[in-house]
Amino acid sequence: DQQVKQNSPSLSVQEGRISILNCDYTNSMFDYFLWYKKYPAEGPTFLISISSIKDKNEDGRFTVFLNKSAKHLSLHIVPSQPGDSAVYFCAASANGNEKLTFGTGTRLTIIP
Amino acid sequence: GAVVSQHPSWVICKSGTSVKIECRSLDFQATTMFWYRQFPKQSLMLMATSNEGSKATYEQGVEKDKFLINHASLTLSTLTVTSAHPEDSSFYICSARGYGVRGSYNEQFFGPGTRLTVL
Repeated sequence: DQQVKQNSPSLSVQEGRISILNCDYTNSMFDYFLWYKKYPAEGPTFLISISSIKDKNEDGRFTVFLNKSAKHLSLHIVPSQPGDSAVYFCAASANGNEKLTFGTGTRLTIIP
Repeated sequence: GAVVSQHPSWVICKSGTSVKIECRSLDFQATTMFWYRQFPKQSLMLMATSNEGSKATYEQGVEKDKFLINHASLTLSTLTVTSAHPEDSSFYICSARGYGVRGSYNEQFFGPGTRLTVL
């Protein structure tokens, strides 16, 4: 049972344009969401997070939007840069629980 | 800050042997460490959670006798894959959280992973 889903396994975006990565979840107990970036043969690195009490969090070029009613979150990267090419995972946790549930990832390729 | 290392970065072993993977927090005290496994093109799956000085908590379906976890100090956790078989071949990643790091206490910092190949 995949509680966190990233339905797009890959995405290609022109350099300078906006990249939008999507994530859906099914567990209504999830109240904290994170995005991680991962390069091949490396561990994920934390990008940005959002609590369920907010609907938007911004950090530089990265913005995460949360739509609780739709159980959907998205990561916006603007402007996209070649160094953004990586696999992006969304993750979720519930009730302050330390356990993270990860999505299957989306491979983002930025085209120069 | 908040650096987590893993050793080895890759290992190839024969079927039936045991392999130990180390996870270290280099610049903070990791009160909790997590072990994940990732198969190609799949998500990171949590295997177990370990708190320093206590027994690990394993996720459903993970054999605790096969995947031995020891979190003996605030900077080191080890995962031993016992009697490894080809189906154990995977990418194993640890993460750690604790005190003395930037960000929230709940934030997990990941190691670079260990690629295990069992022949």
